Amino acid sequence: AQSVTQLDSQVPVFEEAPVELRCNYSSSVSVYLFWYVQYPNQGLQLLLKYLSGSTLVKGINGFEAEFNKSQTSFHLRKPSVHISDTAEYFCAVMTTDSWGKLQFGAGTQVVVTP
Amino acid sequence: DAGVTQSPTHLIKTRGQHVTLRCSPISGHKSVSWYQQVLGQGPQFIFQYYEKEERGRGNFPDRFSARQFPNYSSELNVNALLLGDSALYLCASSLGTGAYEQYFGPGTRLTVT
Repeated sequence: AQSVTQLDSQVPVFEEAPVELRCNYSSSVSVYLFWYVQYPNQGLQLLLKYLSGSTLVKGINGFEAEFNKSQTSFHLRKPSVHISDTAEYFCAVMTTDSWGKLQFGAGTQVVVTP
Repeated sequence: DAGVTQSPTHLIKTRGQHVTLRCSPISGHKSVSWYQQVLGQGPQFIFQYYEKEERGRGNFPDRFSARQFPNYSSELNVNALLLGDSALYLCASSLGTGAYEQYFGPGTRLTVT
């Protein structure tokens, strides 16, 4: 069985400061990795994904993430946040033998203040 | 192009009642997955359908069922509602086999009283 752990439940950050959201996973088989963002009272929006290839992936809105297989991590980063980045962020895993089933972490609430 | 649509947006039901939630995938997408998101938690996988067949089921009781229609839209049915079924129900669509990205709808907020 696989699991996804988001190490921070809430991350306060000042506007224009960098932010890193941590995600670790465990799985006995290969995985595909995703980050989603959820704004209040909305569904989930795909930020970026890692399927194969380069371990550094870039997504929308200036976000990027790095896949580290040895540390089983997929941390999300943004060099300079805006007020509009205030939202809940979810890390998700799909194993290669379970197509169509995403397993999500508990989420990290990012609160950006001026 | 329209994204994933879900209806209704909100609904309130009483314990013991039945509910049907509906989802229309992105045009051309043949797979639909359903998730339950309880307040303060990450989404939990309920079902996946592809080409009108169930391809995966999460750890949910038999009170939960779903189906996919020839036009690839889908329904999620929940019988004998419990207070604990109160949640945001999310539908996600993807192209099909070999397509791993899932695109989510806005969700249906179900409140059971």
